[in-house]
Amino acid sequence: GQNIDQPTEMTATEGAIVQINCTYQTSGFNGLFWYQQHAGEAPTFLSYNVLDGLEEKGRFSSFLSRSKGYSYLLLKELQMKDSASYLCAVVDSNYQLIWGAGTKLIIKP
Amino acid sequence: DTAVSQTPKYLVTQMGNDKSIKCEQNLGHDTMYWYKQDSKKFLKIMFSYNNKELIINETVPNRFSPKSPDKAHLNLHINSLELGDSAVYFCASSQGTETYNEQFFGPGTRLTVL
Repeated sequence: GQNIDQPTEMTATEGAIVQINCTYQTSGFNGLFWYQQHAGEAPTFLSYNVLDGLEEKGRFSSFLSRSKGYSYLLLKELQMKDSASYLCAVVDSNYQLIWGAGTKLIIKP
Repeated sequence: DTAVSQTPKYLVTQMGNDKSIKCEQNLGHDTMYWYKQDSKKFLKIMFSYNNKELIINETVPNRFSPKSPDKAHLNLHINSLELGDSAVYFCASSQGTETYNEQFFGPGTRLTVL
């Protein structure tokens, strides 16, 4: 079967750094997305990785290791507005998007 | 200048009724999607549709049917509503037909079945 694993919930402090992990077992791989979803709102795109390595975009970075079936989203200089759910999604060999259940990130002052 | 819009935002109805949710995108995208997000916040694909192909998640009951009058619209019809249909339904769209393109989501429709 296809599986995406993320921690259910994480807590971090304002101004700190947090890493949200995602591991996947899918039939093939054609890329991995990270989306952010604030409570009661729609998901919004953060990043797309298809090659190994780290991609940085402002305070957010996303890392991929295809051999390990592993990705992480790194958030630096955390702000209260970063409190949200972070969804990992993988494109499989049939070009279907398989979604994880999301990680709820709670930021404390 | 809304990119992906859905109506209504909230829908409360009785079991057994038939209802529709409308979705429109003004991004010129080729592919549109419907997702269901349940109380556990798990986002589940229901349909993806472009001009050439409708892909249905086999776990979706046939009470749910997408209707696309044109490229910019993908409406969701639900027959004989059940309590378990209560969820938030998101419409989304993406450029081209490749799944690895960024998806843009609508604001969601919160459906409550009583």
